[in-house]
Amino acid sequence: GQQLNQSPQSMFIQEGEDVSMNCTSSSIFNTWLWYKQEPGEGPVLLIALYKAGELTSNGRLTAQFGITRKDSFLNISASIPSDVGIYFCAGTNTNAGKSTFGDGTTLTVKP
Amino acid sequence: GAVVSQHPSRVICKSGTSVKIECRSLDFQATTMFWYRQFPKQSLMLMATSNEGSKATYEQGVEKDKFLINHASLTLSTLTVTSAHPEDSSFYICSVAGRLSSGANVLTFGAGSRLTVL
Repeated sequence: GQQLNQSPQSMFIQEGEDVSMNCTSSSIFNTWLWYKQEPGEGPVLLIALYKAGELTSNGRLTAQFGITRKDSFLNISASIPSDVGIYFCAGTNTNAGKSTFGDGTTLTVKP
Repeated sequence: GAVVSQHPSRVICKSGTSVKIECRSLDFQATTMFWYRQFPKQSLMLMATSNEGSKATYEQGVEKDKFLINHASLTLSTLTVTSAHPEDSSFYICSVAGRLSSGANVLTFGAGSRLTVL
């Protein structure tokens, strides 16, 4: 089946630093999604990308849909302590329920 | 996007008992809902697709007699973990699929239910 490779697995950064994480796939997706999950909560959608090459921002977050449709990255600028959590990428085609999730990137921000 | 409510958020039960988890779509009529399971420090694993008015579709390796799903209305799906055992302890999350104005197909997740089986 489809697999997503998400990296890095974890990051420990200082408040104010920029963060970058990415996902690659062996197959094409029509939509790339980035979610954030905080402890004891369900994932919350951050950014949705549905056009190859698309670059989208949401506040301090910027994500891009790779031109090959097989990869995406998420950048967080000027990190703050509340950015702590697990970030998941997800790829989907026509059926959102069949989204394939990456293994997550755990972000720790030191004040 | 949709607003999804999940209950209970935490449940502790004895081994051998059954536990029911509810997932409600508060502002969206969902003919389809999805149930995921998440182990600590791991990603989300799709367990089954809950279909309103019909049988759920289970992913390979998920025991349908163990994890009973009922989707009796357009706003409510329930997951019942029958004869629970400690290995069933996990974080169970439901979701609803929708389409954003951009055209992207996305999932909206509930807050999850932490099941601990003693």
